[in-house]
Amino acid sequence: EVQLLESGGGLVQPGGSLRLPCAASGFTFSSHAMSWVRQAPGKGLEWVSTISITGDNTYYADSVKGRFTISRDNSKNTFYLQMSSLGADDTAVYYCAKHTDGGNSPYDYWGQGTLVTVSS
Amino acid sequence: EIVLTQSPGTLSLSPGERATLSCRASQSVSSSYLAWYQQKPGQAPRLLIYGASNRATGIPDRFSGSGSGTDFTLTISRLEPEDFAVYSCQHYGSSLTFGGGTTVEI
Repeated sequence: EVQLLESGGGLVQPGGSLRLPCAASGFTFSSHAMSWVRQAPGKGLEWVSTISITGDNTYYADSVKGRFTISRDNSKNTFYLQMSSLGADDTAVYYCAKHTDGGNSPYDYWGQGTLVTVSS
Repeated sequence: EIVLTQSPGTLSLSPGERATLSCRASQSVSSSYLAWYQQKPGQAPRLLIYGASNRATGIPDRFSGSGSGTDFTLTISRLEPEDFAVYSCQHYGSSLTFGGGTTVEI
């Protein structure tokens, strides 16, 4: 059974940093691109970042470019979202998602999400 | 950057009725890279349709997708009680983007 488990969410002050891991199981992790998608309270889905199968290629939404870093450790079946310079607009549920294949493919599995709240 | 606009914002229907949801792209996109997701309150999204018209594994055949170019449609032929949810389209080609979503409510 495919499982994606996010962790690391919580309350952080404006300007602060947070690291979100997503632990994957039930599939060959090293054969799939992975992404982070967020959803602000009461809002729609927003793509945040994608990492290629090998980790050599990373992609970011303009809203997070330069502040967020995506990475993966295929030996641990885990990928990460390092977030810095956080602002109120970053408050959202952050979902990790598995691509069916490479980066140009849809998400066939999602984690349950982890809530990040940026507030003083 | 491709912008996806979904309409209507909210669709009020009854069980057994047909639902037609629209997703319009700001520029022509390959239908190979258009997906639809369903999301219920407090849950993660679920993939329904990929490649504009292909049902994902386990998705009932009352869900169908169609379209090309800039206009895409998700149709639910006969609404079941569990179908009342938010539906979002996604382009997953050279740029990754979601539409704003359509709420299908009773």
